[in-house]
Amino acid sequence: NAGVTQTPKFRILKIGQSMTLQCTQDMNHNYMYWYRQDPGMGLKLIYYSVGAGITDKGEVPNGYNVSRSTTEDFPLRLELAAPSQTSVYFCASSYLSPGQLNEKLFFGSGTQLSVL
Amino acid sequence: RKEVEQDPGPFNVPEGATVAFNCTYSNSASQSFFWYRQDCRKEPKLLMSVYSSGNEDGRFTAQLNRASQYISLLIRDSKLSDSATYLCVVDNTGGFKTIFGAGTRLFVKA
Repeated sequence: NAGVTQTPKFRILKIGQSMTLQCTQDMNHNYMYWYRQDPGMGLKLIYYSVGAGITDKGEVPNGYNVSRSTTEDFPLRLELAAPSQTSVYFCASSYLSPGQLNEKLFFGSGTQLSVL
Repeated sequence: RKEVEQDPGPFNVPEGATVAFNCTYSNSASQSFFWYRQDCRKEPKLLMSVYSSGNEDGRFTAQLNRASQYISLLIRDSKLSDSATYLCVVDNTGGFKTIFGAGTRLFVKA
């Protein structure tokens, strides 16, 4: 009964380092998303994917990259980490496309990332 | 003006109280509306969708007012376990525009 699994849960990076946040889902959902949540702010969409091999930018894509080689996995890559990327990152998936009534987002448990 | 605005609270209420949250949205073309619940340091989870005619799920009632562009969430007979942040979510068509409000914090006290 895994749902959406994210790793790691916590990470501290130095400025300029790179890392990959892993996300995998076992619900066979086509739609997957990466969000970031800053304190006191709503979730902001970084990147999304509508299926294997198809990705597109969200609202705040700068400094990030993604790939979707399989239906299950949607890793998020941070290149040249900056303090502005300190945030909580959530991966999510859905069966229906956004906007459809009863569309439900399933979230991973999040990654707390600090860039110092 | 933010696309989705919520009163950040916090709302401090005693057990058994009725509490209501409002959320306004700026895009009149918005199509779908949701309330998510987020516990401290946890992921958001869908609480309920909001239908045009209004809908109820146990102690929770959601309403949509398209003319005034707001949605509301009413919680009756509050429980300690209702303490959380409630996120208003609005979906717009024409692209992946799911907008999350910043959330309203609720504390229910014994």
